[in-house]
Order: sequence, then C-alpha cells, then structure tokens
Amino acid sequence: DQQVKQNSPSLSVQEGRISILNCDYTNSMFDYFLWYKKYPAEGPTFLISISSIKDKNEDGRFTVFLNKSAKHLSLHIVPSQPGDSAVYFCAASAVNGNKLVFGAGTILRVKS
Amino acid sequence: DAGITQSPRHKVTETGTPVTLRCHQTENHRYMYWYRQDPGHGLRLIHYSYGVKDTDKGEVSDGYSVSRSKTEDFLLTLESATSSQTSVYFCAISQGRRLNTEAFFGQGTRLTVV
Repeated sequence: DQQVKQNSPSLSVQEGRISILNCDYTNSMFDYFLWYKKYPAEGPTFLISISSIKDKNEDGRFTVFLNKSAKHLSLHIVPSQPGDSAVYFCAASAVNGNKLVFGAGTILRVKS
Repeated sequence: DAGITQSPRHKVTETGTPVTLRCHQTENHRYMYWYRQDPGHGLRLIHYSYGVKDTDKGEVSDGYSVSRSKTEDFLLTLESATSSQTSVYFCAISQGRRLNTEAFFGQGTRLTVV
C-alpha cells in the first residue's frame, strides 16, 4: 500500500508556462515533505521541502504548497524551462521516524 | 557535489550468486541508506544505518543484508541474487536523525540479474 502517491506518471508543458506536480499521502504521521529531482543516470537531488507547520514554501521558481486536511501537496515551477525536464519524486517523513517514503515519480517534459 | 561514491556503477550477475554493492562517503554523515528504484514504485528503502554497526530494515529488506564497520562505508549484500533484484540501487547519506536536512544520493548502481 503506497503511502505517498504521485498519480500522474508524466506531464508535458510548454517552456515559460507553469508546471504543477501533485502528490497525495495517506499517513497522518507525516510531518515533513520533500521534492527531489532526478536526471537520467544520476542520483536524485534535493529540490525543496516543507514542514507541516507551513502551507507554502518558496525558493526561486519553485514553490511547494501543502494542504494538510486534504493530505495533498503540489510543486509549482514558474516559469518552466527545458532544463527542468526530469523525474520529480515526492517524499515524506514521519514525526517519529527517520526514513523517507517516496512516491513513484512524475516525468516532466518541458518543450521549447 | 557531496562526497558519496557507489561501486560498481554497473554489474551483471547470474541468479544465485552473491553480490555486494559498496557506498563510500567522505562527509562523515551519521546516517546512510540503501534504496532501490523500480518503474512504478519510485524509491523504496531497503536498509539504513544510524551509526557504525547500527542498522535497521526498510520496507523491502527481504533478500538483502547490510554492514557498516566504518562511518564512511555501507555495504549492501544480496546473498543469492534473484531476477526480482534487478534494479537501480541508490545510496544516500544524511547528517540528521531525520532526513529533514538535505539528503545526498549517490549516482546509483545498475544491477542486472540474469
């Protein structure tokens, strides 16, 4: 049973437009959420995170929104660039844990 | 780039043979993790370590064992490789007890079991 779900396997957007990647979770004990980005033949790299005490965190073109009541978070990329094309993983950590649980990933393609 | 190296980067092995993957870090981070990446499953935790000789199981630990005799090295062993263990394996390191702080991943090891 997947505790972190990314229901869109892929997303294609035009350069300059907004990319929105979604993530749902089921475990109420999760209190910290992260997004990782992965290029082919490379390891994942940390992108942005958010604590459950916040509902928004912004870093340059990347913003993560958290809706705790809906157990949903999203990553917004504005404006999207071709170099953003990668696999994006959503991950969550529980308040009494020290492990990250990952979603299946969403492949983002930004067309120029 | 964080000092984390996985070896080998690619390996093809036969069913039933033992295989050991190595993760080496130069960051002196306390926590080390082994994940496997499979289509449709994302990254799944196999085992992790919170100190020398201190390890624990993740969600897909069956068929795998680990050892950490030094802070810098974390070994993943497949005692008797099976085709279901064909995957890309990633090691990760972190300073904190929780992966709230930035976690660094290695470049991965692609393992094929034939």
